[in-house]
Amino acid sequence: DGGITQSPKYLFRKEGQNVTLSCEQNLNHDAMYWYRQDPGQGLRLIYYSQIVNDFQKGDIAEGYSVSREKKESFPLTVTSAQKNPTAFYLCASSIMSRGMLQPQHFGDGTRLSIL
Amino acid sequence: KNEVEQSPQNLTAQEGEFITINCSYSVGISALHWLQQHPGGGIVSLFMLSSGKKKHGRLIATINIQEKHSSLHITASHPRDSAVYICAVRRGGADGLTFGKGTHLIIQP
Repeated sequence: DGGITQSPKYLFRKEGQNVTLSCEQNLNHDAMYWYRQDPGQGLRLIYYSQIVNDFQKGDIAEGYSVSREKKESFPLTVTSAQKNPTAFYLCASSIMSRGMLQPQHFGDGTRLSIL
Repeated sequence: KNEVEQSPQNLTAQEGEFITINCSYSVGISALHWLQQHPGGGIVSLFMLSSGKKKHGRLIATINIQEKHSSLHITASHPRDSAVYICAVRRGGADGLTFGKGTHLIIQP
């Protein structure tokens, strides 16, 4: 079955360490996205990528970095510059069809806690 | 003010009741999404709308572009419908979605 795999489901890191969250999709989707969710707030866009080797900042990109070396993979690195990294991170993807992006598919998320 | 506002924030109803969740937005959009988030955090896309009305099983979504308003209805609600329902808009191109804060729905048996 095609889908989006985020791993791990729970991640703990010490303050000051960089940490990379994995997102893999086997849907052959062109576009991929990273969102962050905090309690009581809506999801917010961190980065997105339309094609391989290209990505754009979203609304809250500071303290994060991404790469898109392969179509199926869009890892997110939470750097030590991110002041409040503890959150729930969701990866999504979508395909372009008839000139329009189709509904996004979401992974199950990674809950990151900084100790 | 948030670009996407949902109401109510919390809703508790009895099994069988007709449920309506509202979403208003203040920006121009190319599409509006209704999403369902379960307690574990996973999100499922329910509908993507750019005009009119869509129906899937007991779920109905409508959108009024002129009024910048959308509603999600659940008929014959069931405890398994308990989840957070999220409205999100796409502003165009490949931009990511802008989300409402969600409506936490609990259906009691």
